[in-house]
Amino acid sequence: KNQVEQSPQSLIILEGKNCTLQCNYTVSPFSNLRWYKQDTGRGPVSLTIMTFSENTKSNGRYTATLDADTKQSSLHITASQLSDSASYICVVRSNQAGTALIFGKGTTLSVSS
Amino acid sequence: DGGITQSPKYLFRKEGQNVTLSCEQNLNHDAMYWYRQDPGQGLRLIYYSQIVNDFQKGDIAEGYSVSREKKESFPLTVTSAQKNPTAFYLCASSLRGPSGGASDEQFFGPGTRLTVL
Repeated sequence: KNQVEQSPQSLIILEGKNCTLQCNYTVSPFSNLRWYKQDTGRGPVSLTIMTFSENTKSNGRYTATLDADTKQSSLHITASQLSDSASYICVVRSNQAGTALIFGKGTTLSVSS
Repeated sequence: DGGITQSPKYLFRKEGQNVTLSCEQNLNHDAMYWYRQDPGQGLRLIYYSQIVNDFQKGDIAEGYSVSREKKESFPLTVTSAQKNPTAFYLCASSLRGPSGGASDEQFFGPGTRLTVL
């Protein structure tokens, strides 16, 4: 069964600290993996997309990694800011034609001053 | 100003009533989607449409209906048959749709929060 599991479920960190969010998936055949940021009461916004051949991709203070062998991805946030407080959602697309996206439940990050 | 708009932002419904959520996009995208988001759960697909006058059921279509009369618009009706409609509803669009390529990104609207009184 195609599944996407994220951990931790929630996380609280101090402003300026780094953190890493995890995403494990069992989707097959794999096409790509996206990390979305969703502010409270808003729609998700894409941060990065990782394809099979990519190991690391950065978007400002956000760095995503992908290990296609172990089917794991991580999102590392450097020097966190209050505005990073949001839910981070891992979404995996299968290569199977017509397959919908598989969404993780998200990690809720709270950055405090 | 391009993007996806959803209205209203908040919607209240009495039990037994049908309500319609609006979704409009000016991105010239072919595909549009409706998702439901509940606390502690991942987004679940209700319906999607890859072309005007055609739409497909998602994972949780029961109690919902849609129409796609125009490329720009994809309204969702929550009927009285939906037993637990209180949720956050997200509309999305993408250039081509599920069959359109691996990099086809979905862009999301701001959402509508529906509450049943």
